[in-house]
Amino acid sequence: DTAVSQTPKYLVTQMGNDKSIKCEQNLGHDTMYWYKQDSKKFLKIMFSYNNKELIINETVPNRFSPKSPDKAHLNLHINSLELGDSAVYFCASSQGVTGEETQYFGPGTRLLVL
Amino acid sequence: AQSVTQLDSQVPVFEEAPVELRCNYSSSVSVYLFWYVQYPNQGLQLLLKYLSGSTLVKGINGFEAEFNKSQTSFHLRKPSVHISDTAEYFCAFIRSNDYKLSFGAGTTVTVRA
Repeated sequence: DTAVSQTPKYLVTQMGNDKSIKCEQNLGHDTMYWYKQDSKKFLKIMFSYNNKELIINETVPNRFSPKSPDKAHLNLHINSLELGDSAVYFCASSQGVTGEETQYFGPGTRLLVL
Repeated sequence: AQSVTQLDSQVPVFEEAPVELRCNYSSSVSVYLFWYVQYPNQGLQLLLKYLSGSTLVKGINGFEAEFNKSQTSFHLRKPSVHISDTAEYFCAFIRSNDYKLSFGAGTTVTVRA
């Protein structure tokens, strides 16, 4: 009974391809997030959705497009992949957006662009 | 700039010794403070958080942290570490006016027998 799950766990692809990463949470939370962890392990938020509405959209290239079909899912689609997109992408969820809530993280998707 | 600074990038420590990981923050508004741990090839897990009230916060796995407003610090401590505490530790904050979780650069803790 994984709380936040991501698929795939590993993704190796060529430059220029389009790929998607899926995230699902079974915690009943109403807020979900995408984070990027670079090769130096620096973590930065990319997007956040609350009740399927986009509430945080950091300075991220337009090639990245999040989609939330319902509160339990937040997918990340990446167009025209570049070498610099290689990173670990983490999905997370929380109940609410006041800042006090704990965010629960998925296991990560390791993306390698060749 | 408003940010989180982890003062040590790597901390080697012997098993059963104490460890302290230092974290300072800079913010013009009030903040909530967090420590997360990332075990090798895994996601992040919350160790503890400070929202308000008592400045000494106890978390999971024997960790504790102390919020010091005057020094804008939130250092993490454990009196006796185990091999299994080998991991990456991240200090983070959320500012009260934007609700985005911002992380420090991380501290790698390596526990040796």
